[in-house]
Parts: sequence; C-alpha cells; structure tokens
Amino acid sequence: SQTIHQWPATLVQPVGSPLSLECTVEGTSNPNLYWYRQAAGRGLQLLFYSVGIGQISSEVPQNLSASRPQDRQFILSSKKLLLSDSGFYLCAWSEGTSGEETQYFGPGTRLLVL
Amino acid sequence: GQQVMQIPQYQHVQEGEDFTTYCNSSTTLSNIQWYKQRPGGHPVFLIQLVKSGEVKKQKRLTFQFGEAKKNSSLHITATQTTDVGTYFCAGGSWGKFQFGAGTQVVVTP
Repeated sequence: SQTIHQWPATLVQPVGSPLSLECTVEGTSNPNLYWYRQAAGRGLQLLFYSVGIGQISSEVPQNLSASRPQDRQFILSSKKLLLSDSGFYLCAWSEGTSGEETQYFGPGTRLLVL
Repeated sequence: GQQVMQIPQYQHVQEGEDFTTYCNSSTTLSNIQWYKQRPGGHPVFLIQLVKSGEVKKQKRLTFQFGEAKKNSSLHITATQTTDVGTYFCAGGSWGKFQFGAGTQVVVTP
C-alpha cells in the first residue's frame, strides 16, 4: 500500500532563515505531487504541483520554491523566511493524468516563523 | 476561472442533531470529492461523486451531487462528537482540481 511521509512534523524558525521541508511517497511510481499551505482555521492554498521529476508548476508567486529531485521526493524550500510563511504545510500525492484525481495527504509540517 | 464555494463557513451543532453543508461551483464539474480534516490532522478523502444527481451514503453521512453538476451537499444525521472537524469539498473541471474553503463543524454535547 502507499504511504506518504513528511518531516519535520513541527518547526520553529527565525525570520530570514532558510527552509527545507521534505515529502516522500512509497508504494507508487510517478505520482503527481502537491504542496499546500493552510493558515490557522483556513482553507487549503495550492502552492506547487509536479507531474514528474524536475517538472514543477507554481500556482502563486511567493517566497517559496519546490523541487522534485527523485520520482517520489518533493521538497519545499525558501532562502529567507517571512513571518507570513507561518502555517501548516501539507504534501499530497495522486495518480493519473486528468488533474482531477483523488489526493492523499501527508501528516503535514507545522511551521512557525518568529 | 473556476471557483468552489462552501457554506456555511462554521457550523455549531448540538449532539444528536442533523445538519447540511453545501458546496457550489461557478462552473460545471466532472466530479466532486469530499474530505474531512480532524482538528490537528490532515485532510482525509471521504468520497467521490461523478454522475449527475448521484447520492452516496456512508453510515450517517449522505453526499449528493446536483443535477447540473455545479453543486453538492453533505448531510450528517444524528451528529456525534466524532464528526467534529472541517469538511472540504473539491471540484474537478477541465483538468483542474480546486478545494473549497471548508465548513468547520463544532459539536456540543
């Protein structure tokens, strides 16, 4: 069966510091991968998605970037964190090519920027 | 562009009561999915509806897809404290998949 991992689970970082969040998926090949951000008590904002290695689509301009160095690895990065980057970061995967498939979420990383 | 809206944003329910949350799209959808996020947790897929007028049930939860495939509803009967959380709908259309803002459900004993 498929599993999705995210780490770290929680992170407290100072403003201006770099960021690297990692997501890995097991039990599937060539998944679609997604990064979402969720502010406290709010909805899901799609940040990036990837349909293959090295293929990244950005949904909103921001202080963040994403990379997919391996088939089942998705990384979210920032060179300099802002206070507004605080939130709950969720990675998700899906299978298929329609763009409308069911998405399966990882446990998330809670990021607090101080 | 496609917009998916959910109402209400918040729902306070007495344990044992029924309630309904609604999802409306600005465009016709090919499918709609519902997810539940428990407090402190991550969204978990509940169900997918594809056909016009489709109705599916999961125990006390009833999901419906509108005839025009532009709206959906989730009805929960005899609400329990385990129903607390945020319910998201997500609509698929023309290769795009968009989540609504969610309905946050609070259950009082």
